[in-house]
Amino acid sequence: GEDVEQSLFLSVREGDSSVINCTYTDSSSTYLYWYKQEPGAGLQLLTYIFSNMDMKQDQRLTVLLNKKDKHLSLRIADTQTGDSAIYFCAEETGGFKTIFGAGTRLFVKA
Amino acid sequence: NAGVTQTPKFRILKIGQSMTLQCTQDMNHNYMYWYRQDPGMGLKLIYYSVGAGITDKGEVPNGYNVSRSTTEDFPLRLELAAPSQTSVYFCASILSLGNTEAFFGQGTRLTVV
Repeated sequence: GEDVEQSLFLSVREGDSSVINCTYTDSSSTYLYWYKQEPGAGLQLLTYIFSNMDMKQDQRLTVLLNKKDKHLSLRIADTQTGDSAIYFCAEETGGFKTIFGAGTRLFVKA
Repeated sequence: NAGVTQTPKFRILKIGQSMTLQCTQDMNHNYMYWYRQDPGMGLKLIYYSVGAGITDKGEVPNGYNVSRSTTEDFPLRLELAAPSQTSVYFCASILSLGNTEAFFGQGTRLTVV
């Protein structure tokens, strides 16, 4: 069935780059998303990538997509303490469903 | 615009009680969703709706019901609360499929004791 997997935790030092990885199973996914959830809040869309793209850059964020391996990553350059949050990978599958991963909790140490 | 509004923010229920989680959006979105978020499990889709009068089951619909009598409102009903329904519930809406943002409510933290 459809599944999205992520590692649960990542810890980095302030100023370093963070790389959050995600694997998905549905090869018919059209869009893949990264959402950010801050404590006590709902999810907010960070960025997305269309499945025919390999890379997308948006300021400090770089999304890499390896469609052959069904692997998606989010790189945050110059990570700041304000980036501490849970990051969710999601794939839009055929039909009307969006499947989310379990979320990666990013800790940024000053 | 208020976006997606969920109420209540917190609730404690006793086993067997019932309640309705409210969700309203003012963006005229056709697609609305209810997810539950369990620790380490990610978001699981409970029910979704592609327009007023149309609802369908997601991955984990058992123990829940929904209705969509208007475009704006998509309430989620728990008839006989069980401890397994302790979770954080998120309502979301999108304008259309594809590269459009899903807007999420703030979440409802429900504890069943």
